[in-house]
Order: sequence, then structure tokens, then C-alpha cells
Amino acid sequence: GAGVSQSPSNKVTEKGKDVELRCDPISGHTALYWYRQSLGQGLEFLIYFQGNSAPDKSGLPSDRFSAERTGGSVSTLTIQRTQQEDSAVYLCASSRGPGYSNQPQHFGDGTRLSIL
Amino acid sequence: AQKVTQAQTEISVVEKEDVTLDCVYETRDTTYYLFWYKQPPSGELVFLIRRNSFDEQNEISGRYSWNFQKSTSSFNFTITASQVVDSAVYFCALKGGSNYKLTFGKGTLLTVNP
Repeated sequence: GAGVSQSPSNKVTEKGKDVELRCDPISGHTALYWYRQSLGQGLEFLIYFQGNSAPDKSGLPSDRFSAERTGGSVSTLTIQRTQQEDSAVYLCASSRGPGYSNQPQHFGDGTRLSIL
Repeated sequence: AQKVTQAQTEISVVEKEDVTLDCVYETRDTTYYLFWYKQPPSGELVFLIRRNSFDEQNEISGRYSWNFQKSTSSFNFTITASQVVDSAVYFCALKGGSNYKLTFGKGTLLTVNP
């Protein structure tokens, strides 16, 4: 497809389990971002990738969160030992060109994560 | 530090009314970029418009128009002759020229009633 693709669209898991969220950016977009959207905190930046490297991980809330990107394309966000406060919608975005440019970020539909 | 304030939490209008969504921003960057995104009930954030800090020309696109004023650090968005399909949460966002991340406002929920 032409847009940013995220999977799964919904994930329900028990507290303490690990989860993996996947993002497939728009073809040709070199920059990739993860954000989190929750009722209390709004939209929060998590991490930025340029190619396969992550120059800015400043938004990752704890060491339970990690992300990688391979082949300059697909990215995976992993949350270990999930906690209830991790429940949120995780949004992936991509943009053409480097992240500091004025290129708009295009978002996927998100993964709604619910921790029981 | 960067900050975006959308003072209007919710707005409700009747179809065909004009509606303006307010956005005020704070940044120390001399070069920065402003964006408006729309999030309909389906959940996807849809990019609407981008403005560069050095371009204060306002724009009209169909029923949408934008008013960017550096003097008041505002980037307001107007929908003319609103339609039910315009119902969504609208987010204003800011990116500093030396930064990668978007800083979002809390969003304004617009409900257009028939």
C-alpha cells in the first residue's frame, strides 16, 4: 500500500508479557518515528530513526522499551515486561529526507495496546 | 523547550457554520515548522498543512484556510462552511529546525452537527 502500515492493529496482553509492534514505512522514506498516544499524556515522541540508526531515543520512557530498524525499512518497537501504564495507541510515522527537514510526517493507523 | 497550546478542548457547531481552531506555540528556534493534523474517529493522523517560520503567507485551500502570525506566535486554522465529515480531533504541531520530533498540542475535538 501507499501509506504507513502498522501491525497488529490491536493487541491485548497480560501484565508482564513482552510485546512487539511492527511498522512498515512509506516506500522511499528514510526517516521513521514512533509516538505514543494516551488520554492522559496526549501524543508523545518516543524514538527517531534515520536509516537504521536511532540518533534520538530521548522519548523512550524506560529501559523496558527498545526499537530497531532493519534494511532502512521495517521497524519493530518492543516492550518488555509490560505494565498497565503502557496501555496506549502506538503510532508510527515516516518522512522523506532527514528528520530535521521540513518534510511532513505521515502516520499509520496505530496499534492499540491494552495491558490487562 | 517547545510547547504547543490548543486552548479549545471541544467545539461544537452546526453544519455550514465557519469554525476557527486556535493554536499558540513557543520555541527558541529561529527556524521552525508548524503543522496541522486531523484525526477522524478511525484513528489515523492525517497531515493537512505545513508552514515554515520564514513564510508568513497565509493560504486558502478549498474550505480550509490558515492564519500564521509570528508576532503573536499563533497558527490558526479555519474551516468555512463546515460539514459533518469535518468532525474529528485536530492537532497543531511544532518542529524546531534542529529537532526531529513533533511537539503536539492536546488537540481540539470538533463536532459538526447536521
